[in-house]
Amino acid sequence: DAMVIQNPRYQVTQFGKPVTLSCSQTLNHNVMYWYQQKSSQAPKLLFHYYDKDFNNEADTPDNFQSRRPNTSFCFLDIRSPGLGDAAMYLCATSTIASPQETQYFGPGTRLLVL
Amino acid sequence: GQNIDQPTEMTATEGAIVQINCTYQTSGFNGLFWYQQHAGEAPTFLSYNVLDGLEEKGRFSSFLSRSKGYSYLLLKELQMKDSASYLCAVRVGNTPLVFGKGTRLSVIA
Repeated sequence: DAMVIQNPRYQVTQFGKPVTLSCSQTLNHNVMYWYQQKSSQAPKLLFHYYDKDFNNEADTPDNFQSRRPNTSFCFLDIRSPGLGDAAMYLCATSTIASPQETQYFGPGTRLLVL
Repeated sequence: GQNIDQPTEMTATEGAIVQINCTYQTSGFNGLFWYQQHAGEAPTFLSYNVLDGLEEKGRFSSFLSRSKGYSYLLLKELQMKDSASYLCAVRVGNTPLVFGKGTRLSVIA
């Protein structure tokens, strides 16, 4: 059973054209994360939510926004994608019950910017 | 900030044993995770260490030395399907995981 679902798996957009990536979870976890991963690089945290409490990483570009309308869903909005934003975008969830709680990742959305 | 180092690439033979090292510098250390990531797929959880010592799970084991800021992942009886990237990630306090760049392992016949 899918636990963290990301749609679409592949997204092609044009330079400067807004795009939204979506993530949903069936785990009822209260923490959700968005990571950006470029080829052969570490996943880089963009932002995360503790419930509705939004936490932005200091170096996340303003071009990236996020919404979490309810526990199950989280969206990543890229307002004006540039060529450098082409990457895999990974959504993850966890509980905050204890430090050893792992993060569960979705399959990712690979974004291509033309 | 945190600094996590892993070798970029390793190659090993099917049936052999391979050890993937990870060193980290961080304050407020609260656990180390290993993930496996096949090309184009999401990372999947392998192991968690917070106390010094070895944790064994079937063919995979993970070791931690907190005083040395060092961990390794040991893979035994390598199979072709073990070809993947292996990501070391550190938890500081209760914050999100910080990942290393990963070690790309190629298993050859």
